[in-house]
Amino acid sequence: DAKTTQPPSMDCAEGRAANLPCNHSTISGNEYVYWYRQIHSQGPQYIIHGLKNNETNEMASLIITEDRKSSTLILPHATLRDTAVYYCIVRVSIIQGAQKLVFGQGTRLTINP
Amino acid sequence: KAGVTQTPRYLIKTRGQQVTLSCSPISGHRSVSWYQQTPGQGLQFLFEYFSETQRNKGNFPGRFSGRQFSNSRSEMNVSTLELGDSALYLCASSPGTESTNEKLFFGSGTQLSVL
Repeated sequence: DAKTTQPPSMDCAEGRAANLPCNHSTISGNEYVYWYRQIHSQGPQYIIHGLKNNETNEMASLIITEDRKSSTLILPHATLRDTAVYYCIVRVSIIQGAQKLVFGQGTRLTINP
Repeated sequence: KAGVTQTPRYLIKTRGQQVTLSCSPISGHRSVSWYQQTPGQGLQFLFEYFSETQRNKGNFPGRFSGRQFSNSRSEMNVSTLELGDSALYLCASSPGTESTNEKLFFGSGTQLSVL
C-alpha cells in the first residue's frame, strides 16, 4: 500500500479554514485518497475521498494535485468539535472487493477558541 | 439506519485467558473488518470477512482469529492473552462489493485491558 506522510500536529483558530496536507508520492493510478478522523476513544469517521478530481461534501473539501502526489483536506469553518486526529489514507485494491485501510500516524488537529 | 455496534464496550481480562468480541454491521453490509489500535502501533488491520469467508488478513499471530455468520455479524477471538494485547479493537463494515471506492463505517470499539 502506498505510504502517506502527514504533519504530526496542527493548530487552527475557531471559525478559520483548517488546511491539512498529505504527501503520497508513491500513489498509483487506481488508488483513491481517503480521509478519516478520530475523536478521542471513538471509531474513525469517514470524511471524504477522491481519485483525481477535487471533491466537496457537507463536511470538507479535498484538493488533489494534478500529479496526485499530494492532497489537502480543507475544513472551511473549523469548530471546536473538529478537534481530532485526521488520517490520510491511500487505498489499494488487494483483490476484488477486499477492504483494507493502512493508517499512518495522522495529524492531531487542535481548534483553539 | 443503525450504525456499527460493538459489544462489550469495555473488557478486563488476565493474561492467559481468551476473549471474544462481537460486531454487528450496518444492515445490508456484507464486509466486516477488524482493527487493533494501540498508542505505540496506531491503527493496524487484523482481518476482513465477506460472506462468511476471510478475504484478507493482516500481520498478526494465530492467536487472533475471527469468523462471520450468515447474517454478517462477526466475532473476533484472542486466545492466550498477553499484556500487549491491551488495545482498542475496532470493527468496520461496508457493502463489500466494490474494490477501493467504498466507505468503511466504524463502530465505537471495545477497549480491552489485559492485567
